[in-house]
Amino acid sequence: GAVVSQHPSWVICKSGTSVKIECRSLDFQATTMFWYRQFPKQSLMLMATSNEGSKATYEQGVEKDKFLINHASLTLSTLTVTSAHPEDSSFYICSATGASGYTFGSGTRLTVV
Amino acid sequence: AQSVTQLDSQVPVFEEAPVELRCNYSSSVSVYLFWYVQYPNQGLQLLLKYLSGSTLVKGINGFEAEFNKSQTSFHLRKPSVHISDTAEYFCAVSLGSGGYQKVTFGTGTKLQVIP
Repeated sequence: GAVVSQHPSWVICKSGTSVKIECRSLDFQATTMFWYRQFPKQSLMLMATSNEGSKATYEQGVEKDKFLINHASLTLSTLTVTSAHPEDSSFYICSATGASGYTFGSGTRLTVV
Repeated sequence: AQSVTQLDSQVPVFEEAPVELRCNYSSSVSVYLFWYVQYPNQGLQLLLKYLSGSTLVKGINGFEAEFNKSQTSFHLRKPSVHISDTAEYFCAVSLGSGGYQKVTFGTGTKLQVIP
């Protein structure tokens, strides 16, 4: 079946640094990838939609300069949290769409100290 | 825009008892409906989905859901739960046309199976 690999699964970084999260579709080509954020005990909130080779579309209220999304190929999308602050600590999940529909990654737990 | 409501934030149920997790959606156009399960500190796993056709959808782990257009509901059911079903369950909706659209999630329901 369709598999999406998300890396790293958890990361701790210092305030002010940048962190890159990778989302790879392992056995299918993903024309569209979605990035979600989940706060503790809350639902998933869509941050942005990215299509291969074009700029990401951000949801209202999401800072595009802070959350940089690159979808350079049909199998890889990256989310970079720039100048991270403690309030950016959260669980980030990607989703890729292919012939099997939506497939989610296993998520990345980001903690900014 | 479409939206989804999960009225129950937590549902405790005894092992081997039946369970129903409620989900209602709102949309003026056709939609796709999904149920996902999330175990602690993990991503989402698709339980089942309704795209079209039969309104009774069977998924993995013995779960099923019924699409009811008149009541705009998509409740998730299992006739006999196990301890391993303890997790958070999310109902989700997306537009039913125009290719893959963004998925909107409900607030989730924590299912706690009591031994």
